[in-house]
Amino acid sequence: GQQVMQIPQYQHVQEGEDFTTYCNSSTTLSNIQWYKQRPGGHPVFLIQLVKSGEVKKQKRLTFQFGEAKKNSSLHITATQTTDVGTYFCAGPWNTGNQFYFGTGTSLTVIP
Amino acid sequence: EPEVTQTPSHQVTQMGQEVILRCVPISNHLYFYWYRQILGQKVEFLVSFYNNEISEKSEIFDDQFSVERPDGSNFTLKIRSTKLEDSAMYFCASSLGQTSNQPQHFGDGTRLSIL
Repeated sequence: GQQVMQIPQYQHVQEGEDFTTYCNSSTTLSNIQWYKQRPGGHPVFLIQLVKSGEVKKQKRLTFQFGEAKKNSSLHITATQTTDVGTYFCAGPWNTGNQFYFGTGTSLTVIP
Repeated sequence: EPEVTQTPSHQVTQMGQEVILRCVPISNHLYFYWYRQILGQKVEFLVSFYNNEISEKSEIFDDQFSVERPDGSNFTLKIRSTKLEDSAMYFCASSLGQTSNQPQHFGDGTRLSIL
């Protein structure tokens, strides 16, 4: 079945350092979405990428969708303590109404 | 901003009992979902629901599970004869359109503890 893997599983950074999480799907995705889940919270939608090779930016966050539409990355520049949480990539499977979340990357920012 | 609401926030149940988790999706959304997240693990898709019927379900969503939209606002997940391994956070989500082109909005979740 569909598998969406993310690396690393955990990342500890000093505040101000950069952070990147990588997402790899076993199959081609029509689009990829990124969610952030704060500790004890629920997933919150960040962004959706649709086109091959697409790059989108949200302030300090840069999202990229691979050319083959099987991988994606999220890069955070100059992390802040508010960036703490688990970042999940996710994509639709099959008809589009089944949705697979990646394994997630848990980010800890040390002040 | 409209949000998805879930009740109860925490449910404790004896193994073998039935539980019903409740959700009120965002009012103009058409697609509804249930997910499960075991503590510290990834979010797992259970089922999607559209036009009063299941549109997709995962391998996790076996005969023990059922969903219903009993009225115009509620969306429920029923787990019959609960097992210890059903202990998890259950999230409801809704979207305006299909996940292929619309973000999902999640509720705060119901923490289900099976004793």
